[in-house]
Amino acid sequence: SQQGEEDPQALSIQEGENATMNCSYKTSINNLQWYRQNSGRGLVHLILIRSNEREKHSGRLRVTLDTSKKSSSLLITASRAADTASYFCATAGGTSYGKLTFGQGTILTVHP
Amino acid sequence: NAGVTQTPKFQVLKTGQSMTLQCAQDMNHEYMSWYRQDPGMGLRLIHYSVGAGITDQGEVPNGYNVSRSTTEDFPLRLLSAAPSQTSVYFCASSYRTGSGTGELFFGEGSRLTVL
Repeated sequence: SQQGEEDPQALSIQEGENATMNCSYKTSINNLQWYRQNSGRGLVHLILIRSNEREKHSGRLRVTLDTSKKSSSLLITASRAADTASYFCATAGGTSYGKLTFGQGTILTVHP
Repeated sequence: NAGVTQTPKFQVLKTGQSMTLQCAQDMNHEYMSWYRQDPGMGLRLIHYSVGAGITDQGEVPNGYNVSRSTTEDFPLRLLSAAPSQTSVYFCASSYRTGSGTGELFFGEGSRLTVL
């Protein structure tokens, strides 16, 4: 079963707007990661946040993590048409190494 | 530095045929894994390895076999292909960090169709 549940499943916005995607998970984690996938391509890592961190920034990306609620959010500010892609959260489990468990993803469409 | 290389990119099989998806990484990562991606299902873990000679099952291992004789290579074998194995397959490599598994580096994927 999937560890992460993502919300919304699809998001459609205009260029310049902010996009927020949410991820919930079920078990304890060491870290949580966000990935991006352009259509027909492999996944690309965006950001990793450790279980003892609450917020992390990278360029126009802001990730928050609330371990008490077992949830994370990814905010993309000032979206561009080139941000159109699928976004996935993935968790690194507390006692397992070498693998991540992925959510089902959010499809983001940014209209020019 | 090629990263993670998967071959073939496309393959069509008939039910019952066997084949091997190849995966190689040149980053000296100790972790390697295989995922399949189906529409609306996200990525599901098939098998993974934490080092040469060590493999383990993931969420959907049935019908697949793996081995890891070297750090660089992690082939995925389909033993007797079934239409339910029609999917896009991704190989990934990673490394250990102080906070568990680090970022995954993905190959470009192998699109498999089983007729």
